[in-house]
Amino acid sequence: KAGVTQTPRYLIKTRGQQVTLSCSPISGHRSVSWYQQTPGQGLQFLFEYFSETQRNKGNFPGRFSGRQFSNSRSEMNVSTLELGDSALYLCASAPGGDGQPQHFGDGTRLSIL
Amino acid sequence: KQEVTQIPAALSVPEGENLVLNCSFTDSAIYNLQWFRQDPGKGLTSLLLIQSSQREQTSGRLNASLDKSSGRSTLYIAASQPGDSATYLCAVTYNQGGKLIFGQGTELSVKP
Repeated sequence: KAGVTQTPRYLIKTRGQQVTLSCSPISGHRSVSWYQQTPGQGLQFLFEYFSETQRNKGNFPGRFSGRQFSNSRSEMNVSTLELGDSALYLCASAPGGDGQPQHFGDGTRLSIL
Repeated sequence: KQEVTQIPAALSVPEGENLVLNCSFTDSAIYNLQWFRQDPGKGLTSLLLIQSSQREQTSGRLNASLDKSSGRSTLYIAASQPGDSATYLCAVTYNQGGKLIFGQGTELSVKP
């Protein structure tokens, strides 16, 4: 069974631009969550989608948004990029709402110049 | 505020030692607790998941325990190997949803 796939693996952008990251969950998984990992703040929850609906949301500004498609693939968009958005963005998938383990992709490394 | 703390932040041991990593959480009403490992430049690998009703879980040389009343979990690694070198993260959830709250991790180095 293929794992969680995130594309692209690396991305370089400049301040003010916008970016879209993609996540393909494990086949059959309906929950997709996004996390931001930085050396200073560690891993922080962005949002979770389940069956195309946002189920949970973290404390990030509205510049961070996401969506989920009917095939459970998810995208995350960040607009008006700031230097502080440089981070590893991780996506995790899980079967659904029953507390089963989350499985993570290898992430997208976003660098803002 | 729901917070997770991991002690120590870093640990270096010789190969073959048994070791314990600690995790504590401020709000004991957790739904479940999960231990992960992260290798440099990689994502997270799930090691063990403990439901709130369970006391421990085992997988190979790994054993994780949970004491909800005291807000603590430990990850025991038996007969450590250099391949165990990684950052170990503890995370809790408070409902059926996917919101994990992570500790800062323990960076483990096992020397040959």
